[in-house]
Amino acid sequence: AQSVAQPEDQVNVAEGNPLTVKCTYSVSGNPYLFWYVQYPNRGLQFLLKYITGDNLVKGSYGFEAEFNKSQTSFHLKKPSALVSDSALYFCAVRAALSSNTGKLIFGQGTTLQVKP
Amino acid sequence: SQTIHQWPATLVQPVGSPLSLECTVEGTSNPNLYWYRQAAGRGLQLLFYSVGIGQISSEVPQNLSASRPQDRQFILSSKKLLLSDSGFYLCAWDGGGTPTEQYFGPGTRLTVT
Repeated sequence: AQSVAQPEDQVNVAEGNPLTVKCTYSVSGNPYLFWYVQYPNRGLQFLLKYITGDNLVKGSYGFEAEFNKSQTSFHLKKPSALVSDSALYFCAVRAALSSNTGKLIFGQGTTLQVKP
Repeated sequence: SQTIHQWPATLVQPVGSPLSLECTVEGTSNPNLYWYRQAAGRGLQLLFYSVGIGQISSEVPQNLSASRPQDRQFILSSKKLLLSDSGFYLCAWDGGGTPTEQYFGPGTRLTVT
């Protein structure tokens, strides 16, 4: 069965410092990995994805993620955190439902708190 | 550009009452559509998905049902709500084909009392 783990419920970082939100996955076959951000009482916003190619993926709002096949990890990173980055972050892996559809299997989420 | 709408934004319903949540997508045709539920502000679980009009697949057995009467409309329903149906319901779409990201609507907060 495919699964995603986000080992940290919360990550605290000072504004201007680099941030990392961890994600590990378990899949059969090729991993298709995604990061989303959710602000309170809002839908999820897509940040970035890894399908194939370069292990370092760049996304929205200055975020990037590093795919590591040997460690089955897909950690989210940002060189310099902003207070406005404070939100709930979800890592997800895509599980095929058919040749044309797939569901997202989400981790439990990590709350990022950036302090001024 | 594509947009996805959900309504209502919030809903408080008594146990045993019916439910109808609506999701519509603009700016695309023949999208794959999904209903997810988020409990307690954390993990999301897929409830239903649809690849076309009238085509509904259920991921988990539950008190809910879904319908897709039009290409870009997806409805989540229940005949009699349970307390356990409370949660944040999110609709999403993607264009199908190669693995692609899903785009989420703003969500509906349902409280069953």
